[in-house]
Amino acid sequence: QQQVKQSPQSLIVQKGGISIINCAYENTAFDYFPWYQQFPGKGPALLIAIRPDVSEKKEGRFTISFNKSAKQFSLHIMDSQPGDSATYFCAASKVRGYALNFGKGTSLLVTP
Amino acid sequence: DTAVSQTPKYLVTQMGNDKSIKCEQNLGHDTMYWYKQDSKKFLKIMFSYNNKELIINETVPNRFSPKSPDKAHLNLHINSLELGDSAVYFCASSPRDRNTEAFFGQGTRLTVV
Repeated sequence: QQQVKQSPQSLIVQKGGISIINCAYENTAFDYFPWYQQFPGKGPALLIAIRPDVSEKKEGRFTISFNKSAKQFSLHIMDSQPGDSATYFCAASKVRGYALNFGKGTSLLVTP
Repeated sequence: DTAVSQTPKYLVTQMGNDKSIKCEQNLGHDTMYWYKQDSKKFLKIMFSYNNKELIINETVPNRFSPKSPDKAHLNLHINSLELGDSAVYFCASSPRDRNTEAFFGQGTRLTVV
């Protein structure tokens, strides 16, 4: 079964706007929540990740918000740029483990 | 230097053929993975190997057989290819049982005709 649910499936944002992608998970044993960015023809690349002991993590224009009680986390891309156009995947897993459980991905298009 | 390299990048083959995809990592990682990305871009774990030992086999048909000659290499052999095997296959690696530093290769796009 799908362990991580991601929405929306696609997103169009104007340059300079805020992109928001949401994910929800079921397994309370998960303690690692990364976001991956994938450009066409490339492999997924780790963008930013959070552990459940904090509610927010910011790296440059990218912020993860984490709500442990709701079992939800989201990616915010501030001042979105055309170069941010890519597919974004959330994932959830245990830090100590052997597989990432991915959401179905969000295709982001940032228009000039 | 490419951290995780896969060959070939593209593979077109006929149904019923046997093919292999090779993967090598130079990160010194102990754990290697094969993920499958389907036509809808969904990424799903297929196999995990830790120091040449199979850790995870996620209900993948027996036609798929991973081989790890050493901890820097994890190859994927597929027998009797079917149309439904068409996908992008990603190799990845991470330090021993640490999902936090998983690094993906560029992918191999397999098309079965």
